[in-house]
Amino acid sequence: EADIYQTPRYLVIGTGKKITLECSQTMGHDKMYWYQQDPGMELHLIHYSYGVNSTEKGDLSSESTVSRIRTEHFPLTLESARPSHTSQYLCASSEGRVVDGYTFGSGTRLTVV
Amino acid sequence: AQTVTQSQPEMSVQEAETVTLSCTYDTSESDYYLFWYKQPPSRQMILVIRQEAYKQQNATENRFSVNFQKAAKSFSLKISDSQLGDAAMYFCASENQAGTALIFGKGTTLSVSS
Repeated sequence: EADIYQTPRYLVIGTGKKITLECSQTMGHDKMYWYQQDPGMELHLIHYSYGVNSTEKGDLSSESTVSRIRTEHFPLTLESARPSHTSQYLCASSEGRVVDGYTFGSGTRLTVV
Repeated sequence: AQTVTQSQPEMSVQEAETVTLSCTYDTSESDYYLFWYKQPPSRQMILVIRQEAYKQQNATENRFSVNFQKAAKSFSLKISDSQLGDAAMYFCASENQAGTALIFGKGTTLSVSS
């Protein structure tokens, strides 16, 4: 079944560790996005990609980095996790125009202690 | 700048009743799209309904309908015959100014009681 997968679902990690949040989709979508969602707050766009080897920063400044080496894969990396990175991270993809709507992953809830 | 505002952090409704979630937005565009997304607890966010601004007719999807007031920049979601499965966080969204992604409101948590 075509879908978008995020792993891990939950992650508790110590300060200073390097982490990679995985996002993969099986739909062949060119456009992929990362959003950060704090509890009770709106989603903030932190990165997006329009295709292989294309990545852009979003509206919210983030210390994370992303890569897009394969169409289906859009991982997000934090080189040195800090408590301020504690949040939920949502990955999404879209087939064509943004207005065609997104397919979302289930999210990764990250806690940095 | 594009903004999306949801002024109701929480709403509650009884099963089988109707509830309306509010959303206002700001845009300088003449043609645009608006969305309502549903985020159930610990589950994927899914698209509920989409409205194209140049269409006068309000969008409807089964029990979900919108009241789109273009001049007032208002886009409310009406859920009829509420069900326990409707309990979720609902986000209003629109396209950002650059047209590169969606921007979201802060969400409204809807609880449904039996």
